Amino acid sequence: KAGVTQTPRYLIKTRGQQVTLSCSPISGHRSVSWYQQTPGQGLQFLFEYFSETQRNKGNFPGRFSGRQFSNSRSEMNVSTLELGDSALYLCASSLLSQGAGNTIYFGEGSWLTVV
Amino acid sequence: AQSVTQLGSHVSVSEGALVLLRCNYSSSVPPYLFWYVQYPNQGLQLLLKYTTGATLVKGINGFEAEFKKSETSFHLTKPSAHMSDAAEYFCAVSDPNAGKSTFGDGTTLTVKP
Repeated sequence: KAGVTQTPRYLIKTRGQQVTLSCSPISGHRSVSWYQQTPGQGLQFLFEYFSETQRNKGNFPGRFSGRQFSNSRSEMNVSTLELGDSALYLCASSLLSQGAGNTIYFGEGSWLTVV
Repeated sequence: AQSVTQLGSHVSVSEGALVLLRCNYSSSVPPYLFWYVQYPNQGLQLLLKYTTGATLVKGINGFEAEFKKSETSFHLTKPSAHMSDAAEYFCAVSDPNAGKSTFGDGTTLTVKP
């Protein structure tokens, strides 16, 4: 069974640009969540999507957005990039909603560097 | 609101020694608790989880954790450290009311030969 797949793995963007990251969950998983990981802030929850609906959102500005498609694949978008957006962005999937104690399976992440 | 506190951002042990990584949580309802491990340049991998039932939970790679409600703790242990255990470890709490998981800041484990 294939794991959570994230693309691209590495990318470099310039301040002010926008970026789209993609995530393919494990087959059959309906929940996809996104996390930002930085050395200073640790692992921060961005949002969770379940059956194409955003169920939960963390404390991030509106520049961070996401969506989920009917096949459960998800994308997240960051507009007007800032230097502080440089981070590892992790996608995770679970069979059902995160809050029900379901195991979350993580992808290897997308390393974003903003210069 | 739920929260997780991992005591000690860095822990160093000798190969063969006991590994103890500490995690305390706060949750308004009976929580679900998890430990994840992250190796360099990789995502997080589940080590073990507690939902209900037996409070001593065994996971992969010889790790185990005990849920202690009275102490609001879920410490991770391994009797004998191996070089391959060197990684970053995250404790997480999942609260049905919050609908999401909250992670601790992580503990980096170093294993000395």
